[in-house]
Amino acid sequence: DAKTTQPPSMDCAEGRAANLPCNHSTISGNEYVYWYRQIHSQGPQYIIHGLKNNETNEMASLIITEDRKSSTLILPHATLRDTAVYYCIVRVASNNDMRFGAGTRLTVKP
Amino acid sequence: DTAVSQTPKYLVTQMGNDKSIKCEQNLGHDTMYWYKQDSKKFLKIMFSYNNKELIINETVPNRFSPKSPDKAHLNLHINSLELGDSAVYFCASSHSTGGTEAFFGQGTRLTVV
Repeated sequence: DAKTTQPPSMDCAEGRAANLPCNHSTISGNEYVYWYRQIHSQGPQYIIHGLKNNETNEMASLIITEDRKSSTLILPHATLRDTAVYYCIVRVASNNDMRFGAGTRLTVKP
Repeated sequence: DTAVSQTPKYLVTQMGNDKSIKCEQNLGHDTMYWYKQDSKKFLKIMFSYNNKELIINETVPNRFSPKSPDKAHLNLHINSLELGDSAVYFCASSHSTGGTEAFFGQGTRLTVV
């Protein structure tokens, strides 16, 4: 699986959009981009995933560049409860090997 | 109903003891995982099972032995516990195809004293 690179930490003002970048320059054509988050010491929570098209759900939007070498997770209106560590993962859909990097610690401030 | 449930939530035990952590999923998934999160907060995959068959076995001491009696269960047995085994252990499950997401349990905090 391709390795991902994320900034270790980011801050965001409450109510503003949080844009979390992820670099995956060695991604293969059949690898998806997944985003998870871990709030405090809870189990990681799935947010969104995509292959090459931009995706949106009730939690977030995922923007994948045309060359697929990077992506951005967007939380449109961050709340204090969105403070968490956000993980970007790339893997083949059928692969059972799901590995987490260090992630980005997002702190939403009042 | 909880999708992925682990028991116990907390486990405090002495060095040298043998303990088990249980995991059950009611999502009909065919793949289950065990992860370890240490004090530095890195989530490391330990094992992955697909249809009760071991797929991934990372460089985990053989004191750790996963057991999958059926597709809905993946239990973790740990023999001769050591101080360094203290961590939070997460169980997860997913489908092996279709690009679907994984669901995680709430973790078991193991403290070895």
